[in-house]
Amino acid sequence: SQTIHQWPATLVQPVGSPLSLECTVEGTSNPNLYWYRQAAGRGLQLLFYSVGIGQISSEVPQNLSASRPQDRQFILSSKKLLLSDSGFYLCAWSGTSYEQYFGPGTRLTVT
Amino acid sequence: TQLLEQSPQFLSIQEGENLTVYCNSSSVFSSLQWYRQEPGEGPVLLVTVVTGGEVKKLKRLTFQFGDARKDSSLHITAAQPGDTGLYLCAGAEYGNKLVFGAGTILRVKS
Repeated sequence: SQTIHQWPATLVQPVGSPLSLECTVEGTSNPNLYWYRQAAGRGLQLLFYSVGIGQISSEVPQNLSASRPQDRQFILSSKKLLLSDSGFYLCAWSGTSYEQYFGPGTRLTVT
Repeated sequence: TQLLEQSPQFLSIQEGENLTVYCNSSSVFSSLQWYRQEPGEGPVLLVTVVTGGEVKKLKRLTFQFGDARKDSSLHITAAQPGDTGLYLCAGAEYGNKLVFGAGTILRVKS
Protein backbone atom coordinates (compact mmCIF):
# COMPACT_ATOMS: atom_id res chain seq x y z
CA SER A 1 0.00 0.00 0.00
CA GLN A 2 1.03 3.59 -0.52
CA THR A 3 2.11 5.87 2.28
CA ILE A 4 3.15 9.50 2.37
CA HIS A 5 5.43 11.07 4.94
CA GLN A 6 6.11 14.68 5.84
CA TRP A 7 8.62 16.16 8.23
CA PRO A 8 9.01 17.89 10.43
CA ALA A 9 5.55 17.77 11.99
CA THR A 10 5.97 21.18 13.58
CA LEU A 11 8.47 23.97 13.07
CA VAL A 12 9.03 27.36 14.66
CA GLN A 13 11.37 29.61 12.72
CA PRO A 14 12.37 33.30 13.00
CA VAL A 15 11.66 35.76 10.22
CA GLY A 16 14.47 35.77 7.66
CA SER A 17 15.59 32.19 8.31
CA PRO A 18 15.61 29.48 5.62
CA LEU A 19 13.06 26.68 5.30
CA SER A 20 13.13 23.12 4.06
CA LEU A 21 10.12 20.82 4.30
CA GLU A 22 10.34 17.31 2.95
CA CYS A 23 7.74 14.93 1.61
CA THR A 24 8.29 11.33 0.50
CA VAL A 25 5.93 8.77 -0.95
CA GLU A 26 6.27 4.98 -0.71
CA GLY A 27 4.59 2.20 -2.61
CA THR A 28 4.03 3.92 -5.95
CA SER A 29 6.06 5.07 -8.93
CA ASN A 30 5.98 8.34 -10.88
CA PRO A 31 3.32 9.99 -8.73
CA ASN A 32 2.07 13.52 -9.26
CA LEU A 33 3.11 15.51 -6.21
CA TYR A 34 1.57 18.63 -4.70
CA TRP A 35 2.31 21.22 -2.02
CA TYR A 36 -0.62 23.06 -0.43
CA ARG A 37 -0.91 25.66 2.29
CA GLN A 38 -3.92 25.81 4.56
CA ALA A 39 -4.75 28.81 6.74
CA ALA A 40 -6.85 28.54 9.91
CA GLY A 41 -8.34 25.12 9.06
CA ARG A 42 -10.02 26.31 5.89
CA GLY A 43 -9.59 25.57 2.18
CA LEU A 44 -6.35 24.48 0.56
CA GLN A 45 -4.25 26.76 -1.61
CA LEU A 46 -2.16 24.92 -4.21
CA LEU A 47 1.43 26.18 -4.15
CA PHE A 48 3.34 23.81 -6.44
CA TYR A 49 2.79 20.59 -8.31
CA SER A 50 5.06 18.20 -10.13
CA VAL A 51 4.42 15.51 -12.73
CA GLY A 52 7.98 14.20 -12.76
CA ILE A 53 11.57 14.62 -11.59
CA GLY A 54 12.72 18.19 -12.05
CA GLN A 55 9.31 19.31 -13.36
CA ILE A 56 7.77 21.94 -11.10
CA SER A 57 4.80 24.18 -11.77
CA SER A 58 4.20 27.17 -9.53
CA GLU A 59 0.67 28.27 -8.87
CA VAL A 60 1.22 31.31 -6.67
CA PRO A 61 4.13 33.78 -6.97
CA GLN A 62 5.66 34.08 -3.55
CA ASN A 63 8.58 33.57 -1.27
CA LEU A 64 8.68 29.79 -1.66
CA SER A 65 10.17 27.31 -4.12
CA ALA A 66 9.88 23.58 -4.67
CA SER A 67 12.14 20.87 -6.00
CA ARG A 68 11.77 17.22 -6.90
CA PRO A 69 15.23 15.64 -6.80
CA GLN A 70 13.92 12.05 -6.85
CA ASP A 71 10.78 10.37 -8.18
CA ARG A 72 9.11 10.13 -4.79
CA GLN A 73 10.62 13.11 -2.99
CA PHE A 74 9.23 16.63 -2.98
CA ILE A 75 10.84 19.51 -1.12
CA LEU A 76 9.45 22.92 -0.24
CA SER A 77 12.00 25.64 0.46
CA SER A 78 12.47 29.27 1.23
CA LYS A 79 15.64 31.36 1.51
CA LYS A 80 14.11 33.91 3.88
CA LEU A 81 10.86 33.30 5.72
CA LEU A 82 8.21 35.97 6.16
CA LEU A 83 5.60 36.19 8.89
CA SER A 84 2.97 35.53 6.22
CA ASP A 85 4.54 32.13 5.49
CA SER A 86 3.07 30.74 8.71
CA GLY A 87 0.48 28.04 8.14
CA PHE A 88 -0.22 24.36 7.76
CA TYR A 89 1.64 22.84 4.83
CA LEU A 90 0.32 19.71 3.21
CA CYS A 91 1.93 17.41 0.68
CA ALA A 92 -0.21 15.15 -1.49
CA TRP A 93 0.23 12.60 -4.24
CA SER A 94 -1.97 11.28 -7.00
CA GLY A 95 -1.70 8.57 -9.60
CA THR A 96 -3.52 8.43 -12.93
CA SER A 97 -6.80 9.65 -11.42
CA TYR A 98 -7.60 13.00 -9.83
CA GLU A 99 -7.85 11.50 -6.36
CA GLN A 100 -5.23 12.96 -4.08
CA TYR A 101 -3.84 11.46 -0.89
CA PHE A 102 -2.44 13.71 1.76
CA GLY A 103 0.39 13.52 4.23
CA PRO A 104 0.02 14.44 7.91
CA GLY A 105 1.11 18.05 7.37
CA THR A 106 3.69 20.42 8.85
CA ARG A 107 2.65 23.25 11.15
CA LEU A 108 4.98 26.20 10.46
CA THR A 109 5.07 29.20 12.76
CA VAL A 110 7.24 32.13 11.76
CA THR A 111 8.06 34.41 14.69
CA THR B 1 -9.21 28.94 -12.30
CA GLN B 2 -12.60 27.48 -11.49
CA LEU B 3 -14.19 28.30 -8.15
CA LEU B 4 -16.11 26.12 -5.73
CA GLU B 5 -18.36 27.65 -3.08
CA GLN B 6 -19.24 25.64 -0.02
CA SER B 7 -22.09 26.30 2.35
CA PRO B 8 -22.61 26.61 5.19
CA GLN B 9 -19.19 27.67 6.43
CA PHE B 10 -19.91 26.44 9.93
CA LEU B 11 -22.48 24.03 11.32
CA SER B 12 -23.09 23.13 14.96
CA ILE B 13 -25.74 20.50 15.63
CA GLN B 14 -26.85 18.00 18.24
CA GLU B 15 -26.10 14.32 18.00
CA GLY B 16 -28.80 12.53 16.02
CA GLU B 17 -29.69 15.44 13.75
CA ASN B 18 -29.41 15.36 9.96
CA LEU B 19 -27.44 17.88 7.93
CA THR B 20 -26.53 18.75 4.36
CA VAL B 21 -23.43 20.52 3.06
CA TYR B 22 -23.45 22.07 -0.40
CA CYS B 23 -20.73 22.63 -2.96
CA ASN B 24 -21.55 24.85 -5.96
CA SER B 25 -19.79 26.19 -9.03
CA SER B 26 -20.61 27.87 -12.31
CA SER B 27 -18.13 25.54 -13.99
CA VAL B 28 -18.42 21.92 -15.03
CA PHE B 29 -16.12 19.42 -13.38
CA SER B 30 -15.15 16.02 -14.75
CA SER B 31 -15.23 14.66 -11.22
CA LEU B 32 -15.70 15.91 -7.70
CA GLN B 33 -14.32 14.64 -4.43
CA TRP B 34 -15.20 15.05 -0.77
CA TYR B 35 -12.59 15.01 1.96
CA ARG B 36 -12.81 15.09 5.74
CA GLN B 37 -10.08 16.62 7.84
CA GLU B 38 -9.50 16.52 11.59
CA PRO B 39 -7.49 19.26 13.35
CA GLY B 40 -3.76 18.90 12.84
CA GLU B 41 -4.08 16.13 10.26
CA GLY B 42 -4.21 15.88 6.49
CA PRO B 43 -7.53 15.56 4.62
CA VAL B 44 -8.80 12.04 4.02
CA LEU B 45 -10.64 11.17 0.84
CA LEU B 46 -14.24 10.09 1.45
CA VAL B 47 -15.65 9.67 -2.04
CA THR B 48 -15.28 10.56 -5.72
CA VAL B 49 -18.31 11.22 -7.92
CA VAL B 50 -17.92 11.22 -11.67
CA THR B 51 -21.26 10.89 -13.44
CA GLY B 52 -23.92 13.63 -13.47
CA GLY B 53 -26.77 12.65 -11.15
CA GLU B 54 -24.64 10.04 -9.39
CA VAL B 55 -25.47 9.18 -5.79
CA LYS B 56 -23.06 7.34 -3.53
CA LYS B 57 -23.67 6.15 0.00
CA LEU B 58 -21.05 5.56 2.64
CA LYS B 59 -22.84 4.30 5.77
CA ARG B 60 -24.67 7.40 7.09
CA LEU B 61 -23.18 9.70 4.45
CA THR B 62 -24.85 10.28 1.08
CA PHE B 63 -23.06 12.13 -1.71
CA GLN B 64 -24.76 13.46 -4.81
CA PHE B 65 -23.31 14.96 -7.99
CA GLY B 66 -25.56 17.39 -9.83
CA ASP B 67 -26.94 16.45 -13.23
CA ALA B 68 -24.89 19.19 -14.89
CA ARG B 69 -21.77 18.27 -12.88
CA LYS B 70 -21.55 21.79 -11.44
CA ASP B 71 -22.65 21.07 -7.89
CA SER B 72 -22.60 18.42 -5.21
CA SER B 73 -24.03 17.77 -1.78
CA LEU B 74 -23.11 15.74 1.26
CA HIS B 75 -25.91 14.59 3.53
CA ILE B 76 -25.25 13.06 6.93
CA THR B 77 -28.02 11.15 8.67
CA ALA B 78 -28.13 10.91 12.45
CA ALA B 79 -24.87 12.77 12.99
CA GLN B 80 -22.51 11.53 15.68
CA PRO B 81 -19.72 13.34 17.56
CA GLY B 82 -17.22 11.33 15.51
CA ASP B 83 -18.46 13.15 12.39
CA THR B 84 -16.99 16.38 13.72
CA GLY B 85 -14.38 17.87 11.40
CA LEU B 86 -13.74 20.02 8.34
CA TYR B 87 -15.45 18.82 5.18
CA LEU B 88 -13.89 19.88 1.88
CA CYS B 89 -15.15 19.44 -1.64
CA ALA B 90 -12.70 19.50 -4.55
CA GLY B 91 -13.29 19.61 -8.28
CA ALA B 92 -10.98 18.15 -10.89
CA GLU B 93 -9.32 20.83 -12.98
CA TYR B 94 -7.04 20.46 -15.97
CA GLY B 95 -3.54 19.12 -15.53
CA ASN B 96 -4.26 16.71 -12.67
CA LYS B 97 -5.08 19.58 -10.33
CA LEU B 98 -7.91 20.01 -7.88
CA VAL B 99 -9.66 23.21 -6.89
CA PHE B 100 -10.89 23.14 -3.30
CA GLY B 101 -13.84 24.80 -1.63
CA ALA B 102 -13.24 26.82 1.53
CA GLY B 103 -14.67 24.00 3.66
CA THR B 104 -17.48 23.45 6.13
CA ILE B 105 -16.61 23.10 9.79
CA LEU B 106 -18.99 20.61 11.38
CA ARG B 107 -19.37 20.25 15.13
CA VAL B 108 -21.64 17.55 16.49
CA LYS B 109 -22.46 17.93 20.17
CA SER B 110 -23.37 14.97 22.36
